[in-house]
Amino acid sequence: SAVISQKPSRDICQRGTSLTIQCQVDSQVTMMFWYRQQPGQSLTLIATANQGSEATYESGFVIDKFPISRPNLTFSTLTVSNMSPEDSSIYLCSAWSGQGGEKLFFGSGTQLSVL
Amino acid sequence: AQSVTQLDSHVSVSEGTPVLLRCNYSSSYSPSLFWYVQHPNKGLQLLLKYTSAATLVKGINGFEAEFKKSETSFHLTKPSAHMSDAAEYFCVVENYGGSQGNLIFGKGTKLSVKP
Repeated sequence: SAVISQKPSRDICQRGTSLTIQCQVDSQVTMMFWYRQQPGQSLTLIATANQGSEATYESGFVIDKFPISRPNLTFSTLTVSNMSPEDSSIYLCSAWSGQGGEKLFFGSGTQLSVL
Repeated sequence: AQSVTQLDSHVSVSEGTPVLLRCNYSSSYSPSLFWYVQHPNKGLQLLLKYTSAATLVKGINGFEAEFKKSETSFHLTKPSAHMSDAAEYFCVVENYGGSQGNLIFGKGTKLSVKP
């Protein structure tokens, strides 16, 4: 199994600033994903983080707003840029671990509040 | 401490028979609870959510779940399984303001549907 460490667990930020969220997996994983859960809503996929290449973004999400890095098979970051109060959400990292049995693992999320 | 336990890692049913996926939670306050489904190569899809309104929650694709506070359970059911229901299902508790994290996922239950 894989263990995902996501940090920070929560932050309060000022409008116009940026926050980078880190996701560290304790083993190499095939695919990593970033989700957002806005208050009262369900999880929405932001993008798939691709190792060594640009992330694949879902409709409604763009790289300028949510730049993603994935320098290796165990680590990824999501940056929320030029934040506004509408960006206040939980952001979640998840990963597929494929070692003979594909299994999905999750971080515990980052609760972001933008003032 | 908040936690989510999915009691079965794998459930196998025949097409047309009922589905029961079990989930127990531990929370010190009235939680928000979710069931998500993950199909291969797809993102998480929300099936249903409980947010302290009606205890019987109806979701998409014929699924429903009943919140039972006395049993701390939120089991997912469907009267008649379809082949397209074969997927991995996750029970999730939302943990705003908690110390353990923001979204706590169960380990998942893989549902197989036999013809």
